[in-house]
Amino acid sequence: AQRVTQPEKLLSVFKGAPVELKCNYSYSGSPELFWYVQYSRQRLQLLLRHISRESIKGFTADLNKGETSFHLKKPFAQEEDSAMYYCALAGAGSYQLTFGKGTKLSVIP
Amino acid sequence: GAGVSQSPSNKVTEKGKDVELRCDPISGHTALYWYRQSLGQGLEFLIYFQGNSAPDKSGLPSDRFSAERTGGSVSTLTIQRTQQEDSAVYLCASSLFGGIQETQYFGPGTRLLVL
Repeated sequence: AQRVTQPEKLLSVFKGAPVELKCNYSYSGSPELFWYVQYSRQRLQLLLRHISRESIKGFTADLNKGETSFHLKKPFAQEEDSAMYYCALAGAGSYQLTFGKGTKLSVIP
Repeated sequence: GAGVSQSPSNKVTEKGKDVELRCDPISGHTALYWYRQSLGQGLEFLIYFQGNSAPDKSGLPSDRFSAERTGGSVSTLTIQRTQQEDSAVYLCASSLFGGIQETQYFGPGTRLLVL
């Protein structure tokens, strides 16, 4: 069975500090990994996916198959980054997303 | 253009009653997904519709849950004989063709409270 673990329910950092939101997964094949974000009073939206190897709003995430991790990082946190972040996984060729329970990021001014 | 819309935004019902939740996907999107988010939990996949194919109902938690999609557009999720554990936010998403390569666009959700 596939599983996504986000060990931190809440992460508080000061503005300008580096951010790392942790995500570990369990899957026997080659997964597709995603980060979704939900800002206050807004809809859940895709932030980035590992296959695109993109940087969105200064965030990056690297898939580490050895450690089965897909941590989300940003070198300098901004107040507008405060939101709920969800890591999600899809099995190869699947359309079903398995989500973690989310981490609430709070950036302190 | 308009995004995914859901109605009602909030629903309070009594245990044992039936409820219907509605989802209007983005126009032209052939794939539609329902998820459930219980308090303190991640999103849980419920059901997937793709075009005229038979839906994937593998995530429905019990036979009290059913969903249909009429005309390849609007979808209704029905929960019969609601229980308190059904209280959750129900999210709908759509994508252009389905498949994980595509971005799923989420609606605002329906917050269901079963008393």
